[in-house]
Amino acid sequence: DAKTTQPNSMESNEEEPVHLPCNHSTISGTDYIHWYRQLPSQGPEYVIHGLTSNVNNRMASLAIAEDRKSSTLILHRATLRDAAVYYCIPFQTGANNLFFGTGTRLTVIP
Amino acid sequence: NAGVTQTPKFQVLKTGQSMTLQCAQDMNHEYMSWYRQDPGMGLRLIHYSVGAGITDQGEVPNGYNVSRSTTEDFPLRLLSAAPSQTSVYFCASRQGGQKSWETQYFGPGTRLLVL
Repeated sequence: DAKTTQPNSMESNEEEPVHLPCNHSTISGTDYIHWYRQLPSQGPEYVIHGLTSNVNNRMASLAIAEDRKSSTLILHRATLRDAAVYYCIPFQTGANNLFFGTGTRLTVIP
Repeated sequence: NAGVTQTPKFQVLKTGQSMTLQCAQDMNHEYMSWYRQDPGMGLRLIHYSVGAGITDQGEVPNGYNVSRSTTEDFPLRLLSAAPSQTSVYFCASRQGGQKSWETQYFGPGTRLLVL
């Protein structure tokens, strides 16, 4: 499984953009990069995923480095409801399971 | 769709007691799994199933049993509860197949305290 490195914690002001980085230098060429988040006292929820090119959805954007060894989750305007732990997870093609690290705890300051 | 549901929400057990944590999904997903999350930690995989009648061990299977008799249900059994099993348990499901672009859905969790 590809190893990931994420900052333990980050802070953002409300309504400011947030860039959450993830290093996954051992990722394989066919592994998708998934991001999940876990709000306080809830189960994880899907945020976004991508393979090579940048991806956008209603929640966030995902920027993937050209060499795929890192990615950045972008929240365009952080709200208090975005305060959560964000997990970056390479999902190996042919594997069955998602493996979680410790993620980045995002604090949003009003 | 209700998605992934878990019962109970909270349970207190005494050491040595047994219990079953229930998980159900109504999305006709082939893949289901159980994770545990200890305070300040990420999720660790206990057991998973790729379809009815098929189960396999994850990272931390000791002390837990699973079975998958239907597509919808995937119960987790604690055989003889220990304080080390105090944790929050999450069930998850996915459409199935080894497709690394699939989204995984999680239940709300069961908080278990073993005294």
